[in-house]
Amino acid sequence: AQKVTQAQTEISVVEKEDVTLDCVYETRDTTYYLFWYKQPPSGELVFLIRRNSFDEQNEISGRYSWNFQKSTSSFNFTITASQVVDSAVYFCALSGRLTGGGNKLTFGTGTQLKVEL
Amino acid sequence: KAGVTQTPRYLIKTRGQQVTLSCSPISGHRSVSWYQQTPGQGLQFLFEYFSETQRNKGNFPGRFSGRQFSNSRSEMNVSTLELGDSALYLCASSLEDGGGYTFGSGTRLTVV
Repeated sequence: AQKVTQAQTEISVVEKEDVTLDCVYETRDTTYYLFWYKQPPSGELVFLIRRNSFDEQNEISGRYSWNFQKSTSSFNFTITASQVVDSAVYFCALSGRLTGGGNKLTFGTGTQLKVEL
Repeated sequence: KAGVTQTPRYLIKTRGQQVTLSCSPISGHRSVSWYQQTPGQGLQFLFEYFSETQRNKGNFPGRFSGRQFSNSRSEMNVSTLELGDSALYLCASSLEDGGGYTFGSGTRLTVV
């Protein structure tokens, strides 16, 4: 069975602080994808990044960066110089193959990030 | 390029009624999957359709069903609604297997 753990339920920071959201996953698949999504109050899931299991290279996109470490089964997300607009719930997810073919996403429980002035 | 379109955005139904939700995927995407989000259970996989066939279903009762049409549009149906079915229902479309999912804005269902 696949599992994604986001131990941080809620994080509050002051604007311009750096913040790291943790994600730990479990899977027996050798090929899989990891994702981060942002969910603002309006409800839609906004795609942030996808990483396949063979690519451990870290990635930076503006103020966002991701650290993927297979050795610790972690895929952490850092926001540098946080802004109020970053306030949202962030989900880490794992895409796994199903026996019937196809895939599904297994989500963590999400981390509510609050950025205050 | 149009995104994933879900209709309606909001819905209020009474216990015992049935409801149908619609999802139009991104053009060219043949895989459509559905997820239920509740405060208690989080985001849970409902089912996935590919080329009009249901390939997989999550751990939900038979009251939850769906289908996919030849144009890849998908509908999900919930019969005999219960209060616990109140949730945000999200649809995702995908081009390739497991490699990328684009979500719609969701349908927020309230059962009273």
